[in-house]
Amino acid sequence: GNSVTQMEGPVTLSEEAFLTINCTYTATGYPSLFWYVQYPGEGLQLLLKATKADDKGSNKGFEATYRKETTSFHLEKGSVQVSDSAVYFCALSKSITSFGTGTRLQVTL
Amino acid sequence: DAGVTQSPTHLIKTRGQQVTLRCSPKSGHDTVSWYQQALGQGPQFIFQYYEEEERQRGNFPDRFSGHQFPNYSSELNVNALLLGDSALYLCASSFYDRAAYEQYFGPGTRLTVT
Repeated sequence: GNSVTQMEGPVTLSEEAFLTINCTYTATGYPSLFWYVQYPGEGLQLLLKATKADDKGSNKGFEATYRKETTSFHLEKGSVQVSDSAVYFCALSKSITSFGTGTRLQVTL
Repeated sequence: DAGVTQSPTHLIKTRGQQVTLRCSPKSGHDTVSWYQQALGQGPQFIFQYYEEEERQRGNFPDRFSGHQFPNYSSELNVNALLLGDSALYLCASSFYDRAAYEQYFGPGTRLTVT
């Protein structure tokens, strides 16, 4: 079946540090790939997406590239802010969406 | 556009009781999907409704059932509640032919079973 594996957290970074959260997937065919963010006590917000191989999704300084050869969709940001502290979920979708277990990011001053 | 709305925000039930959660999709969307998010976990797909019928279902028991109304809003019903049903229940809406590419999530209903 389809599944997503993402690095466990928590990830603790100082403000302005570089962020990478690893995500790999298992799926038949060509799913769409997503990163969602969840702030404390809130629902899910779509951060970025890519629908085909080599696509790069980007939003608010975050980027991820759909790598079919390595079945990966790693999330990166060049300079994190305290306001980026949240839980990040990698997900894939063909007809239904399968989520990873989430990675908590904590950014400190 | 109000986006996806869910009600209630929180509720507390006792084991064995039944609960109904409600979801109104984003304006124009015709498909509603429900997810269960246990504490510290990623959301798990429960089922999807389109044209008032359940179209797809995840690995959840029959205690979980749903309904979609002609105005596309949806309900999730859970019977014979167990302590393990305590979770955040998320509703997502989309266009049926774009469900794999774009869906919008509501804020969720937090269910606590005691």
